[in-house]
Amino acid sequence: SQKIEQNSEALNIQEGKTATLTCNYTNYSPAYLQWYRQDPGRGPVFLLLIRENEKEKRKERLKVTFDTTLKQSLFHITASQPADSATYLCALDPSMESNTGKLIFGQGTTLQVKP
Amino acid sequence: KAGVTQTPRYLIKTRGQQVTLSCSPISGHRSVSWYQQTPGQGLQFLFEYFSETQRNKGNFPGRFSGRQFSNSRSEMNVSTLELGDSALYLCASSVGTGGLNEQYFGPGTRLTVT
Repeated sequence: SQKIEQNSEALNIQEGKTATLTCNYTNYSPAYLQWYRQDPGRGPVFLLLIRENEKEKRKERLKVTFDTTLKQSLFHITASQPADSATYLCALDPSMESNTGKLIFGQGTTLQVKP
Repeated sequence: KAGVTQTPRYLIKTRGQQVTLSCSPISGHRSVSWYQQTPGQGLQFLFEYFSETQRNKGNFPGRFSGRQFSNSRSEMNVSTLELGDSALYLCASSVGTGGLNEQYFGPGTRLTVT
């Protein structure tokens, strides 16, 4: 069956360290992946989109990689801060053409950055 | 620019009733998608509307329906509510349809069915 898997357990790290979150997918061949951040009681906020022909993408302290062979995306936050504590979701369009507005989300990984 | 707004923010209904939720997208956005979020199932796609037409539908029963108006505002309706419909309902808008468009989510409507 088609599914997206993210670390189900919360990730606890110390402030200043690099947080690495994993998103694995099976039976999809997405042309891109999106990453979102969600705080309790709020809707997700878009962070980054990476296309299949982009191995890596950066935005300030955020870095995303996309390995279509491993069917995996890694999301890194460098120099993490307590304000980075949130749930991070990966999402993809399951259609081959990636032209639908339908996104499939992983369950999310909760990151807790301790001061 | 104002963000996506959803009304009401909280709602309590009884089993068997029906409910209508509203979503106002960001000005200029023509696509509105609806999602259901529960602790057990996570975020699940309900449907997407673009230019008043439903473009995509998720795997939800026919009790879940929606529509979009000419000003891009959207409503979703759930009839014959069940306890399992208790969830956070999120709408998201984007400039165009297609997953390469960044989606902007609203704060959600928390629906509790008793």
